[in-house]
Amino acid sequence: ILNVEQSPQSLHVQEGDSTNFTCSFPSSNFYALHWYRWETAKSPEALFVMTLNGDEKKKGRISATLNTKEGYSYLYIKGSQPEDSATYLCAFIDFYNQGGKLIFGQGTELSVKP
Amino acid sequence: EADIYQTPRYLVIGTGKKITLECSQTMGHDKMYWYQQDPGMELHLIHYSYGVNSTEKGDLSSESTVSRIRTEHFPLTLESARPSHTSQYLCASSASGQGMREQYFGPGTRLTVT
Repeated sequence: ILNVEQSPQSLHVQEGDSTNFTCSFPSSNFYALHWYRWETAKSPEALFVMTLNGDEKKKGRISATLNTKEGYSYLYIKGSQPEDSATYLCAFIDFYNQGGKLIFGQGTELSVKP
Repeated sequence: EADIYQTPRYLVIGTGKKITLECSQTMGHDKMYWYQQDPGMELHLIHYSYGVNSTEKGDLSSESTVSRIRTEHFPLTLESARPSHTSQYLCASSASGQGMREQYFGPGTRLTVT
């Protein structure tokens, strides 16, 4: 059974703080890793799709890194803003399910206080 | 902007009723997916389709059924609703290609069976 773990489960920070969280996944048979942001009452929205070991991706104040050999990805938010409050989900695709079957972690719930 | 729609957004229904959750997308995506999320749990794939007349069961066993008669439409049906079906159901789609394509999610249907 493939398992994707995210930590921490929840995080409360002040506006302006930088923060990061972790996604752990099986290091064997890696194919791709997705990050999504899910704001309350909205649809999950894709942030990044990462495929190569050592990949770094950036979108505004949010960036992500990938280590496929040890099976983890970090998501960083620089200078958190209240609008960053959301649940951040990572999802793993293994080599034998390349068609896009995502295996999700439980998510990290981020709350940014003004 | 993603154009994927789900109706209804909320549904409260009695045990034994037949229900159909609608999902439509206007992006011409071949791949479509249904996920189920119980409170505090991960999103789990219950059904997917890679094109018209193609449907497969996902990793989480579900008593629901799906059909894909048109590219844009991927409805999910429960023949006889039970309280154990109470959950949130999200529909998603992605373009053709391997798992490196991001998935676009609908807003979800929150189902309560009394």
